[in-house]
Amino acid sequence: AQKITQTQPGMFVQEKEAVTLDCTYDTSDPSYGLFWYKQPSSGEMIFLIYQGSYDQQNATEGRYSLNFQKARKSANLVISASQLGDSAMYFCAMRELTGYGGSQGNLIFGKGTKLSVKP
Amino acid sequence: DVKVTQSSRYLVKRTGEKVFLECVQDMDHENMFWYRQDPGLGLRLIYFSYDVKMKEKGDIPEGYSVSREKKERFSLILESASTNQTSMYLCASSITGQSSYNEQFFGPGTRLTVL
Repeated sequence: AQKITQTQPGMFVQEKEAVTLDCTYDTSDPSYGLFWYKQPSSGEMIFLIYQGSYDQQNATEGRYSLNFQKARKSANLVISASQLGDSAMYFCAMRELTGYGGSQGNLIFGKGTKLSVKP
Repeated sequence: DVKVTQSSRYLVKRTGEKVFLECVQDMDHENMFWYRQDPGLGLRLIYFSYDVKMKEKGDIPEGYSVSREKKERFSLILESASTNQTSMYLCASSITGQSSYNEQFFGPGTRLTVL
């Protein structure tokens, strides 16, 4: 079973509108972290936002916010006021604390969503 | 400013060649990772290392090996390159520890084509 599911292979949004990218996860570990990364066409992975499983409030970073619904195991990324520069691949990832061996740093990635912002 | 560098952005090799992909980080991170990225498959972990000379297999280690002789450098080796190893390869590093927040810092990636 997939641990991270991103159901939207591609999405379009009009410039200046808000957009939500979906992410659901599967874990039995009570302590975990959820990450969103952006990958422009140039290839580098850019960290956007983090949510810990024990965090009471949804994370926000500028125009990015994470809609964390723990009971539903979802961690959707919301981008407000989309800009042309937001066109990129977006990856959701999870880190579980109870990894095997020395795997405390391992991230499990979803397959990504390609966001295109239209002018 | 934190930095992870990879030796090449683009690489073209022939089937059967031995290929070295180098990754260097300047953040004194304990953990280093090699991922492979293919369209529709996301990032898949090949190998990781949590200390010098230590290595662990990830999800898809077949056809690859790694070397970590110094803390800052993590090398991915394709002993005999094959066309199905044509892909984007990403290196990352992070600190170690029990916090769930250990951001991974990524290099710019190497697009490898095996002919």
